[in-house]
Amino acid sequence: DTAVSQTPKYLVTQMGNDKSIKCEQNLGHDTMYWYKQDSKKFLKIMFSYNNKELIINETVPNRFSPKSPDKAHLNLHINSLELGDSAVYFCASSARVSGRTDTQYFGPGTRLTVL
Amino acid sequence: AQSVTQPDIHITVSEGASLELRCNYSYGATPYLFWYVQSPGQGLQLLLKYFSGDTLVQGIKGFEAEFKRSQSSFNLRKPSVHWSDAAEYFCAVGATGGFKTIFGAGTRLFVKA
Repeated sequence: DTAVSQTPKYLVTQMGNDKSIKCEQNLGHDTMYWYKQDSKKFLKIMFSYNNKELIINETVPNRFSPKSPDKAHLNLHINSLELGDSAVYFCASSARVSGRTDTQYFGPGTRLTVL
Repeated sequence: AQSVTQPDIHITVSEGASLELRCNYSYGATPYLFWYVQSPGQGLQLLLKYFSGDTLVQGIKGFEAEFKRSQSSFNLRKPSVHWSDAAEYFCAVGATGGFKTIFGAGTRLFVKA
């Protein structure tokens, strides 16, 4: 069974379009995340939800909007795509231990290419 | 501010040779420390973690890491590298009271035959 799944795996689209990426976890975790990984492999946290509440909202353009319909799902919608949005987007989930984030389980990533 | 430094952008080792990947952190309290591995085209996977107790931590795939508080380090080691170990390795620290995990910039490991 896949612990954290993302769809689609690849996304190729034109500038200006709107697209969504979906994420689901079956680990029973309360916390989910979106990361952006650039071409140099640097991982940048974008958003995090805990029990469906937004708890991390980094400096991300407001064209990016996360939505968590329930604890097992976290989706990412991107409006008016730009060339600079091209990257690999990872979803992750984790439990909490003694007030800190435990191991994060990552999805396989969505490679977004904006033409 | 919390931070994680991986001084080596990339490292090349011969198959069968030993490996050490360096990680230094900046954190005020006792850190939660992690090493993750990312194989090409895949997501990150946990290799090992340190929360407390024995400072020498064993992980999967024959990896181990040692927490040294005096040096603010959590270096990853493997006695004999296999070609399948070629990947990107990330050190990370978990922040107290928050939900963020701070990741290092990663070290790319190349294995030569």
